[in-house]
Amino acid sequence: RKEVEQDPGPFNVPEGATVAFNCTYSNSASQSFFWYRQDCRKEPKLLMSVYSSGNEDGRFTAQLNRASQYISLLIRDSKLSDSATYLCVVRTPEGYALNFGKGTSLLVTP
Amino acid sequence: SQTIHQWPATLVQPVGSPLSLECTVEGTSNPNLYWYRQAAGRGLQLLFYSVGIGQISSEVPQNLSASRPQDRQFILSSKKLLLSDSGFYLCAWSVLYNQPQHFGDGTRLSIL
Repeated sequence: RKEVEQDPGPFNVPEGATVAFNCTYSNSASQSFFWYRQDCRKEPKLLMSVYSSGNEDGRFTAQLNRASQYISLLIRDSKLSDSATYLCVVRTPEGYALNFGKGTSLLVTP
Repeated sequence: SQTIHQWPATLVQPVGSPLSLECTVEGTSNPNLYWYRQAAGRGLQLLFYSVGIGQISSEVPQNLSASRPQDRQFILSSKKLLLSDSGFYLCAWSVLYNQPQHFGDGTRLSIL
């Protein structure tokens, strides 16, 4: 079983739509969780950390469900510039390594 | 503010040739440093990490090596490249091991 699994998509949504991505992780002892965004042929960039109580940053909301071992990202009022691949990232219990999912591709259309 | 630089941006090398990729971080002291590889259609894979000068830990067996000769410099090397070494190589840093990692622009390596 892979450490971090994501639906690869692509998710094609119109501007203004709300879209949600889910991600599951295998190691119940994992301690830190993040969402990164990666544009085509570019480096990943931190979108937001995911906290146990859930957190929001503008149009983006992240949730963590430890019991079910999944993480979600909700994007409201999608913009064309939100088109990218969204990477779910989980820090291993040992601390140093980050386990990256393969990413979910989002395309926002006019 | 902190910045991370990687070079070169693109590299084309023949099989069996050596490799040296360099990464430097500015604006912070004693960062944790990381080398990742992203192969086509695959997720990022951690290759090496370093918590200090001369301290290197390897995550996967391979023909690559890493060195950290200075606090904010991290080098990825190979004596003889294989076709399977092709990929997108990314250097990253973090303040502490449990903090988010921040990536450089990456080096796209093609082996012919």
